[in-house]
Amino acid sequence: GESVGLHLPTLSVQEGDNSIINCAYSNSASDYFIWYKQESGKGPQFIIDIRSNMDKRQGQRVTVLLNKTVKHLSLQIAATQPGDSAVYFCAAQGFNKFYFGSGTKLNVKP
Amino acid sequence: DVKVTQSSRYLVKRTGEKVFLECVQDMDHENMFWYRQDPGLGLRLIYFSYDVKMKEKGDIPEGYSVSREKKERFSLILESASTNQTSMYLCASSSPGVGTDTQYFGPGTRLTVL
Repeated sequence: GESVGLHLPTLSVQEGDNSIINCAYSNSASDYFIWYKQESGKGPQFIIDIRSNMDKRQGQRVTVLLNKTVKHLSLQIAATQPGDSAVYFCAAQGFNKFYFGSGTKLNVKP
Repeated sequence: DVKVTQSSRYLVKRTGEKVFLECVQDMDHENMFWYRQDPGLGLRLIYFSYDVKMKEKGDIPEGYSVSREKKERFSLILESASTNQTSMYLCASSSPGVGTDTQYFGPGTRLTVL
């Protein structure tokens, strides 16, 4: 099977700073990974994805890094804004199923 | 944009009641999923469907059933609701394709069973 975990349940950052949210997965056969953002009272929203043949992918203010050697991925948010406050969780696809981490709550301090 | 809608945002039911949660997607996706989300546990897959009238058990199907009579609609049924089914229920859809089968989620239904 697969287990997915995030390293910190809560992360507090100052507005304007960069945020780094981490995730570890257990199955080396996992080949597709997604980061989701979930705001209070809403469903998860796709942010960015990465396949296992890549180690970095960039979006608008977000970067995902994948380290297959240690089965770790991270989400970096540049210049964090109050609107970035939410729960972030990763998903790893393996055995044709997605496995989800429990999430890191990002608090952005003004 | 993909749109996944769920029939209710909040629902309160009594123990033993039969509960229907409805999900509709408008992107002609083949795959649809039902998850429950509980603090500290992440999303857990209840049931999924790869086509009309097809269903597959996920990791925690006990106490639930599903129905997919039309491609765009996937219903989750709690035959006899119990208090341990109090949770946030999330529906998702995806379309298999080369390179990605990202799941898109609805807003969720927060169910409370008294």
